[in-house]
Amino acid sequence: AQSVAQPEDQVNVAEGNPLTVKCTYSVSGNPYLFWYVQYPNRGLQFLLKYITGDNLVKGSYGFEAEFNKSQTSFHLKKPSALVSDSALYFCAVFSRDSNYQLIWGAGTKLIIKP
Amino acid sequence: GAVVSQHPSWVICKSGTSVKIECRSLDFQATTMFWYRQFPKQSLMLMATSNEGSKATYEQGVEKDKFLINHASLTLSTLTVTSAHPEDSSFYICSALAGGDTQYFGPGTRLTVL
Repeated sequence: AQSVAQPEDQVNVAEGNPLTVKCTYSVSGNPYLFWYVQYPNRGLQFLLKYITGDNLVKGSYGFEAEFNKSQTSFHLKKPSALVSDSALYFCAVFSRDSNYQLIWGAGTKLIIKP
Repeated sequence: GAVVSQHPSWVICKSGTSVKIECRSLDFQATTMFWYRQFPKQSLMLMATSNEGSKATYEQGVEKDKFLINHASLTLSTLTVTSAHPEDSSFYICSALAGGDTQYFGPGTRLTVL
């Protein structure tokens, strides 16, 4: 079965520290991997994606993610967290085998403390 | 680029009435749009995939006669919740597929059925 796991319901980081939000996946076929961010009572904003090429992908707001095929992971990272980064983060994946429908992680609430 | 709008952003209606939600891709054409439902503190649940000019594909358990989807143009898809009941109260989010692989999301519509 195809699935996405975000093992942490919540991540707490002090402002200025590096942050990591974890994501692992299980799909058949080559994965297309995405990170989205959701602020309260809002839709989702696209952050970044990995389709092919360089394993390190840079996205919006200083975020980046590294595709690791052997560990089937796509962790989201940022070198220095801002209070404004506090939000709900979703990892998602699809493959051609899933007919381009996104399979979603449960979401991770990121809290950045001043 | 890749902006998706939704209207209305929130709506309150009486039980038994119908509500229409519009999803527009503002700066690109979208052959495929998706409709999601999100419950509090949960991930997105795909309701249906909407393809321009053809019937929508509904996910298992989603009543097609209750959630009518029309994708009449390359920039507009509508979701009509017919004979709404309090259990239909939720946050509805649409997305539009751009570049063949990336979904861009609308800001969401909060529906409250009294």
